[in-house]
Amino acid sequence: NAGVTQTPKFRILKIGQSMTLQCTQDMNHNYMYWYRQDPGMGLKLIYYSVGAGITDKGEVPNGYNVSRSTTEDFPLRLELAAPSQTSVYFCASSLTRGGGNEQYFGPGTRLTVT
Amino acid sequence: QQQVKQSPQSLIVQKGGISIINCAYENTAFDYFPWYQQFPGKGPALLIAIRPDVSEKKEGRFTISFNKSAKQFSLHIMDSQPGDSATYFCAASMMGTYKYIFGTGTRLKVLA
Repeated sequence: NAGVTQTPKFRILKIGQSMTLQCTQDMNHNYMYWYRQDPGMGLKLIYYSVGAGITDKGEVPNGYNVSRSTTEDFPLRLELAAPSQTSVYFCASSLTRGGGNEQYFGPGTRLTVT
Repeated sequence: QQQVKQSPQSLIVQKGGISIINCAYENTAFDYFPWYQQFPGKGPALLIAIRPDVSEKKEGRFTISFNKSAKQFSLHIMDSQPGDSATYFCAASMMGTYKYIFGTGTRLKVLA
């Protein structure tokens, strides 16, 4: 199993550009999550999904969109990138809901918006 | 009420020493407390976790101590090794929910 994979590893965007961060898991997990990690701030949940076709907002959803057309894939879309979206983005998955069920994280995407 | 406060922000320990990282929470509904370990350039990975029905859990050199009345829990790394140098995050969650609340992280450096 590859686990959770993310692409790209690094990306530099100009203000106002858009991009999609890709996330794929091969563990047949129902739950998938997108977090952002800022220095000294821990991880903040952006969006999560409980299964194909079902998504919901986390703590910091503004400026982002997600879709979940398959169990394996959970892409994160940034529209009109802003410097405040400079961060490291992690995708994670778990077999069932959190709170006792381990979340498996991908290696992250480091995004810089200038 | 949803915060998890983690300290210290950074920690330097000699090889063979004990590393101690502390976390405190407010929400008494939390009932699952994992610790994640993150190496540079990698995603966090589950290290050890505890539920509030026990006061201590040990896995190898890693121990979680849990104080329910004080709403605090801590990670102890015994015989710390340079390979333990990483960032450690505590978290709290409620069973059956999707949401983890993460602490702000502790950057541990173990000197050889």
